[in-house]
Amino acid sequence: KQEVTQIPAALSVPEGENLVLNCSFTDSAIYNLQWFRQDPGKGLTSLLLIQSSQREQTSGRLNASLDKSSGRSTLYIAASQPGDSATYLCAVLMDSSYKLIFGSGTRLLVRP
Amino acid sequence: EPEVTQTPSHQVTQMGQEVILRCVPISNHLYFYWYRQILGQKVEFLVSFYNNEISEKSEIFDDQFSVERPDGSNFTLKIRSTKLEDSAMYFCASSTTHYEQYFGPGTRLTVT
Repeated sequence: KQEVTQIPAALSVPEGENLVLNCSFTDSAIYNLQWFRQDPGKGLTSLLLIQSSQREQTSGRLNASLDKSSGRSTLYIAASQPGDSATYLCAVLMDSSYKLIFGSGTRLLVRP
Repeated sequence: EPEVTQTPSHQVTQMGQEVILRCVPISNHLYFYWYRQILGQKVEFLVSFYNNEISEKSEIFDDQFSVERPDGSNFTLKIRSTKLEDSAMYFCASSTTHYEQYFGPGTRLTVT
Protein backbone atom coordinates (compact mmCIF):
# COMPACT_ATOMS: atom_id res chain seq x y z
CA LYS A 1 0.00 0.00 0.00
CA GLN A 2 1.38 3.39 -1.00
CA GLU A 3 2.35 5.69 1.86
CA VAL A 4 3.30 9.34 1.26
CA THR A 5 5.26 11.16 3.94
CA GLN A 6 6.23 14.82 4.14
CA ILE A 7 9.01 16.22 6.26
CA PRO A 8 9.09 18.58 8.06
CA ALA A 9 5.51 18.90 9.28
CA ALA A 10 6.06 22.60 9.92
CA LEU A 11 8.70 25.12 8.96
CA SER A 12 9.26 28.74 9.91
CA VAL A 13 11.82 30.81 8.00
CA PRO A 14 12.68 34.49 7.60
CA GLU A 15 11.76 36.21 4.39
CA GLY A 16 14.30 35.78 1.59
CA GLU A 17 15.51 32.32 2.55
CA ASN A 18 15.68 29.49 0.07
CA LEU A 19 14.01 26.37 1.39
CA VAL A 20 13.38 22.73 0.57
CA LEU A 21 10.31 20.67 1.34
CA ASN A 22 10.55 16.90 1.23
CA CYS A 23 8.15 14.22 0.10
CA SER A 24 8.77 10.48 0.12
CA PHE A 25 6.69 7.56 -1.11
CA THR A 26 7.01 3.84 -0.51
CA ASP A 27 5.92 2.42 -3.88
CA SER A 28 7.86 3.67 -6.91
CA ALA A 29 5.19 2.55 -9.44
CA ILE A 30 3.84 6.05 -9.78
CA TYR A 31 2.43 7.70 -12.88
CA ASN A 32 3.06 11.26 -11.75
CA LEU A 33 3.53 13.43 -8.66
CA GLN A 34 1.83 16.75 -7.98
CA TRP A 35 2.70 19.50 -5.53
CA PHE A 36 -0.22 21.58 -4.22
CA ARG A 37 -0.60 24.66 -2.10
CA GLN A 38 -3.44 24.92 0.42
CA ASP A 39 -4.32 28.13 2.24
CA PRO A 40 -6.25 27.78 5.54
CA GLY A 41 -9.83 26.69 4.91
CA LYS A 42 -9.35 26.84 1.16
CA GLY A 43 -9.02 24.50 -1.80
CA LEU A 44 -5.95 22.97 -3.38
CA THR A 45 -3.97 24.89 -5.96
CA SER A 46 -1.79 22.80 -8.23
CA LEU A 47 1.77 24.14 -8.32
CA LEU A 48 3.77 21.61 -10.31
CA LEU A 49 3.25 18.19 -11.83
CA ILE A 50 6.12 15.84 -12.62
CA GLN A 51 5.60 12.83 -14.82
CA SER A 52 7.33 9.63 -13.70
CA SER A 53 9.76 9.90 -16.64
CA GLN A 54 10.82 13.44 -15.68
CA ARG A 55 13.45 14.56 -13.21
CA GLU A 56 12.28 18.08 -12.49
CA GLN A 57 9.85 20.86 -13.27
CA THR A 58 10.15 24.60 -12.72
CA SER A 59 7.64 27.39 -12.36
CA GLY A 60 8.91 30.80 -11.37
CA ARG A 61 10.58 30.54 -7.96
CA LEU A 62 9.48 26.92 -7.56
CA ASN A 63 11.44 23.88 -8.63
CA ALA A 64 10.30 20.33 -8.02
CA SER A 65 12.51 17.30 -8.48
CA LEU A 66 11.66 13.63 -8.61
CA ASP A 67 13.82 10.58 -7.92
CA LYS A 68 11.39 7.80 -8.63
CA SER A 69 13.74 4.92 -7.84
CA SER A 70 14.47 6.22 -4.35
CA GLY A 71 10.88 7.32 -3.78
CA ARG A 72 11.63 10.99 -3.17
CA SER A 73 10.58 14.40 -4.38
CA THR A 74 11.61 17.85 -3.24
CA LEU A 75 10.02 21.24 -3.69
CA TYR A 76 12.55 24.06 -3.70
CA ILE A 77 11.28 27.59 -3.05
CA ALA A 78 13.72 30.36 -3.87
CA ALA A 79 13.75 33.73 -2.14
CA SER A 80 10.74 32.98 0.05
CA GLN A 81 8.13 35.68 0.67
CA PRO A 82 5.43 36.08 3.36
CA GLY A 83 2.85 35.34 0.66
CA ASP A 84 4.33 31.85 0.34
CA SER A 85 2.98 31.02 3.80
CA ALA A 86 0.61 28.07 3.34
CA THR A 87 0.49 24.29 3.62
CA TYR A 88 2.25 22.44 0.82
CA LEU A 89 0.99 18.99 -0.10
CA CYS A 90 2.49 16.39 -2.34
CA ALA A 91 0.39 13.68 -3.94
CA VAL A 92 1.18 10.70 -6.15
CA LEU A 93 -0.91 9.11 -8.86
CA MET A 94 -0.25 5.40 -9.17
CA ASP A 95 -0.06 3.43 -12.40
CA SER A 96 -3.45 1.90 -13.25
CA SER A 97 -5.27 4.11 -10.76
CA TYR A 98 -7.29 7.30 -10.81
CA LYS A 99 -6.74 8.37 -7.23
CA LEU A 100 -4.22 10.81 -5.87
CA ILE A 101 -2.61 9.69 -2.62
CA PHE A 102 -1.68 12.65 -0.44
CA GLY A 103 0.92 13.34 2.17
CA SER A 104 -0.02 15.17 5.34
CA GLY A 105 1.67 18.38 4.21
CA THR A 106 4.27 20.84 5.38
CA ARG A 107 2.94 23.99 7.01
CA LEU A 108 5.20 26.87 5.98
CA LEU A 109 5.41 30.24 7.68
CA VAL A 110 7.60 32.91 6.10
CA ARG A 111 8.26 35.70 8.61
CA PRO A 112 8.64 39.30 7.33
CA GLU B 1 -8.81 30.69 -16.69
CA PRO B 2 -11.35 27.85 -16.34
CA GLU B 3 -11.85 26.54 -12.84
CA VAL B 4 -13.82 23.96 -10.90
CA THR B 5 -16.64 25.46 -8.87
CA GLN B 6 -18.49 23.97 -5.91
CA THR B 7 -21.70 24.83 -4.10
CA PRO B 8 -22.49 25.45 -1.36
CA SER B 9 -19.31 26.65 0.28
CA HIS B 10 -20.62 25.57 3.68
CA GLN B 11 -23.43 23.15 4.49
CA VAL B 12 -24.77 22.43 7.97
CA THR B 13 -27.03 19.44 8.38
CA GLN B 14 -28.42 17.25 11.12
CA MET B 15 -27.33 13.67 11.61
CA GLY B 16 -29.41 11.31 9.49
CA GLN B 17 -30.29 13.88 6.86
CA GLU B 18 -29.43 13.58 3.18
CA VAL B 19 -27.08 16.10 1.59
CA ILE B 20 -26.11 16.78 -1.99
CA LEU B 21 -22.87 18.53 -2.76
CA ARG B 22 -22.58 20.09 -6.19
CA CYS B 23 -19.66 20.66 -8.49
CA VAL B 24 -19.22 22.13 -11.95
CA PRO B 25 -16.03 20.66 -13.46
CA ILE B 26 -13.96 22.38 -16.12
CA SER B 27 -15.97 22.14 -19.32
CA ASN B 28 -13.73 19.99 -21.54
CA HIS B 29 -12.68 17.61 -18.75
CA LEU B 30 -13.77 13.99 -18.88
CA TYR B 31 -12.70 12.60 -15.51
CA PHE B 32 -14.29 13.70 -12.24
CA TYR B 33 -13.36 13.03 -8.64
CA TRP B 34 -14.43 13.57 -5.06
CA TYR B 35 -12.00 13.80 -2.16
CA ARG B 36 -12.50 14.74 1.45
CA GLN B 37 -10.34 16.17 4.20
CA ILE B 38 -11.34 15.73 7.81
CA LEU B 39 -10.00 18.59 9.92
CA GLY B 40 -6.33 18.05 10.68
CA GLN B 41 -6.06 14.93 8.53
CA LYS B 42 -4.84 14.03 5.04
CA VAL B 43 -6.84 14.58 1.89
CA GLU B 44 -8.50 11.24 1.07
CA PHE B 45 -9.79 9.93 -2.23
CA LEU B 46 -13.46 8.95 -2.35
CA VAL B 47 -14.39 8.19 -5.96
CA SER B 48 -13.55 8.77 -9.61
CA PHE B 49 -16.10 8.93 -12.42
CA TYR B 50 -15.63 8.58 -16.15
CA ASN B 51 -17.99 7.94 -19.04
CA ASN B 52 -21.01 8.03 -16.72
CA GLU B 53 -19.80 5.36 -14.38
CA ILE B 54 -17.60 4.94 -11.33
CA SER B 55 -14.09 4.01 -12.39
CA GLU B 56 -12.61 3.64 -8.92
CA LYS B 57 -13.77 4.07 -5.34
CA SER B 58 -12.20 3.85 -1.92
CA GLU B 59 -13.35 1.81 1.07
CA ILE B 60 -14.78 5.04 2.50
CA PHE B 61 -17.24 5.25 -0.39
CA ASP B 62 -19.85 2.85 0.95
CA ASP B 63 -23.57 2.50 0.18
CA GLN B 64 -24.29 5.81 1.93
CA PHE B 65 -22.51 7.65 -0.87
CA SER B 66 -23.46 8.06 -4.50
CA VAL B 67 -22.34 10.22 -7.41
CA GLU B 68 -24.18 11.44 -10.44
CA ARG B 69 -23.67 13.58 -13.51
CA PRO B 70 -27.30 14.66 -14.00
CA ASP B 71 -26.58 16.88 -16.98
CA GLY B 72 -23.66 17.99 -19.12
CA SER B 73 -22.20 20.32 -16.54
CA ASN B 74 -22.89 19.25 -12.96
CA PHE B 75 -21.31 16.48 -10.91
CA THR B 76 -22.88 15.68 -7.55
CA LEU B 77 -22.03 13.74 -4.41
CA LYS B 78 -24.95 12.52 -2.31
CA ILE B 79 -24.68 11.30 1.25
CA ARG B 80 -27.91 9.51 2.11
CA SER B 81 -27.89 9.54 5.90
CA THR B 82 -25.17 11.75 7.30
CA LYS B 83 -23.15 10.81 10.37
CA LEU B 84 -21.09 13.01 12.66
CA GLU B 85 -17.91 11.53 11.17
CA ASP B 86 -18.93 12.75 7.71
CA SER B 87 -18.05 16.29 8.82
CA ALA B 88 -15.20 17.32 6.55
CA MET B 89 -14.17 19.51 3.64
CA TYR B 90 -15.25 17.86 0.39
CA PHE B 91 -13.29 18.65 -2.74
CA CYS B 92 -14.34 18.04 -6.31
CA ALA B 93 -11.67 17.70 -9.00
CA SER B 94 -11.57 17.14 -12.73
CA SER B 95 -9.02 16.26 -15.39
CA THR B 96 -8.78 15.83 -19.16
CA THR B 97 -7.11 12.44 -19.06
CA HIS B 98 -5.11 10.38 -16.58
CA TYR B 99 -3.24 13.56 -15.82
CA GLU B 100 -3.25 16.75 -13.79
CA GLN B 101 -6.25 17.07 -11.51
CA TYR B 102 -7.73 20.50 -10.89
CA PHE B 103 -9.47 21.02 -7.59
CA GLY B 104 -12.41 23.18 -6.60
CA PRO B 105 -12.52 25.39 -3.49
CA GLY B 106 -14.35 22.78 -1.45
CA THR B 107 -17.60 22.47 0.50
CA ARG B 108 -17.31 22.42 4.25
CA LEU B 109 -19.89 19.93 5.57
CA THR B 110 -20.80 20.15 9.24
CA VAL B 111 -23.02 17.41 10.66
CA THR B 112 -24.60 18.21 14.03
